[in-house]
Parts: sequence; structure tokens; C-alpha cells
Amino acid sequence: AQSVTQLGSHVSVSEGALVLLRCNYSSSVPPYLFWYVQYPNQGLQLLLKYTSAATLVKGINGFEAEFKKSETSFHLTKPSAHMSDAAEYFCAVSPLNFGNEKLTFGTGTRLTIIP
Amino acid sequence: EAGVTQSPTHLIKTRGQQATLRCSPISGHTSVYWYQQALGLGLQFLLWYDEGEERNRGNFPPRFSGRQFPNYSSELNVNALELEDSALYLCATREGSNQPQHFGDGTRLSIL
Repeated sequence: AQSVTQLGSHVSVSEGALVLLRCNYSSSVPPYLFWYVQYPNQGLQLLLKYTSAATLVKGINGFEAEFKKSETSFHLTKPSAHMSDAAEYFCAVSPLNFGNEKLTFGTGTRLTIIP
Repeated sequence: EAGVTQSPTHLIKTRGQQATLRCSPISGHTSVYWYQQALGLGLQFLLWYDEGEERNRGNFPPRFSGRQFPNYSSELNVNALELEDSALYLCATREGSNQPQHFGDGTRLSIL
């Protein structure tokens, strides 16, 4: 079974400041890990994915995440926040083994950017 | 390239009625997933279809059902609607194993 914990349901950062959104996972098998972003009244857009290749994953819009197996973490970062980054962010896990490929999502983190 | 398209955008029903939601995948995508995003409950996996077959099902009652057509599009049917079925229903499609899921903008189902 897999689960995802996102620490902090709301995060506020100033424009230009570092963005750090935390995600810890639990998985009985090696996982795939994803970050998705949801803007108001829209679906989910894939930011980046970890699929057991490089542990530092670069995504769209300047975001990146680092897979740390020892800490079971997959935190999302962006060096400099932009007003357009305000949205809700979801971390998700999926097992590598075929046959159970649903995504299990965290509860989401709403990111607010302070001008 | 067209993304995942869902219809209708909004759907208003009353208790006891039946709702049909539709999803068209990205060209070349054969797997379809349905998720429910209800207020306070987060994103919950509903159903997974691949090659026309139901492959996995989330913890939802049987009145939630669906199907996948030969062109890989999909329908989600919800019978005997209840107030707590009010939610955003998201469809996601995927090209194959080890590929990420791509989401549509959802259908917002409101039960009066």
C-alpha cells in the first residue's frame, strides 16, 4: 500500500523567495512519484515525475524535486517564486509494478505568493 | 496536440437521478482513470480502464460504474445520486506503462 503526506496545507512565500513544498511517501514497493499543480477551476497539470532514474528531477516552470530514499521524501522546490505560481500542489505516488497503477494523492498544499 | 477533454463542464442533478460523464483521451493514450475530488476528501481514485476492460476500482459503491469504448474514450455513470456525490470528477489518460497520467479539466457535478 502507498500513501503520501504533504506537510502544510497552506504555504505563503514572498515573490522572489524560495518555494519549498514538502512531501513524504510510504510505499511497500519502489514507487513512481509525481507533483501536479491545479489552478482554480482546472484539472491537474504534471509538474515533474520521478521514475527511478536521476534522483534530482527538473520539471516545468522552474520547479524541481529531489528523491531521497533514506528520508522517504520528494520535496518540491523553486528558487524564486512568481505570482503565477499561486495554485494548489499535489504530490502523488504510484507503484512500479504493473496492475495497480492508480495514483494515490496527498491532501494538497495551497501556495500563496505575497507581492 | 489536443489534451484530455471532458464533458460536460458542469452538470446539475437532483437526488436519485443518474449522471453520465464523458472523457476523450489524448491521441495514442489507451488507459483511462477516473478520480473524484470532493471538498474535504481530496482526490480519490475511482476506476481504471485499459483496452476496454476495468482493471482496478477504488473504494466506491457499485452505483459508480463506467466503460471504455473501442476508441478508448470513456464514460463514468453514477446512479441513484446522493448529495455527497457533489464533486469535481477528473479523468486522466496515459499512453502506456511507466508514463504519467494527464488530466482533463474535470466535470463539476452538483447534486441539489
